[in-house]
Amino acid sequence: GQQLNQSPQSMFIQEGEDVSMNCTSSSIFNTWLWYKQDPGEGPVLLIALYKAGELTSNGRLTAQFGITRKDSFLNISASIPSDVGIYFCAGRGNSGNTPLVFGKGTRLSVIA
Amino acid sequence: NAGVMQNPRHLVRRRGQEARLRCSPMKGHSHVYWYRQLPEEGLKFMVYLQKENIIDESGMPKERFSAEFPKEGPSILRIQQVVRGDSAAYFCASSTTLTGVREQFFGPGTRLTVL
Repeated sequence: GQQLNQSPQSMFIQEGEDVSMNCTSSSIFNTWLWYKQDPGEGPVLLIALYKAGELTSNGRLTAQFGITRKDSFLNISASIPSDVGIYFCAGRGNSGNTPLVFGKGTRLSVIA
Repeated sequence: NAGVMQNPRHLVRRRGQEARLRCSPMKGHSHVYWYRQLPEEGLKFMVYLQKENIIDESGMPKERFSAEFPKEGPSILRIQQVVRGDSAAYFCASSTTLTGVREQFFGPGTRLTVL
């Protein structure tokens, strides 16, 4: 089945630093999504990408859909303590309402 | 505008008992997905349903697990004769085919513990 490789698995950074994480796949995806999950909660959608090469921002977050359609990255600028959580990439191979394939997550810790 | 609702939030069962997890999608959403998350893992797709129909159940174990999304009421994920390996967080997501945002929105999850 389709798999997503997400890296790094965990990060410890100082408040104010920028963060970068990425996701790669052995197969092509038509949609890339980035979610954040806080402890005890469900994933919350941060950014959705629909076109190869697309670069999209949401506040301090920026994500890009790789040209090959097999990768995506998420950047967080000027991190703050509330950025702590688990960030998941997810991909969808077909358009429409089809199930998502998730990476294993990047656990972000921010040291004040 | 309430989001996706799941109950119970926490469920404890003994081996051999049945577990019933409920999911009410967002208002206007007719597509429901169930995912399972093991500790330190990402979410794994189980089943995709529309009203009264199972569209894709390729991720659901063939035995003991079943799902439904009736015309009226919430979607139900049912696990019969639970075993310790069923302990996990189960998340429901919903989406719509209407114009606008089509992505999946997740509920807070049900954390199942099997003793």
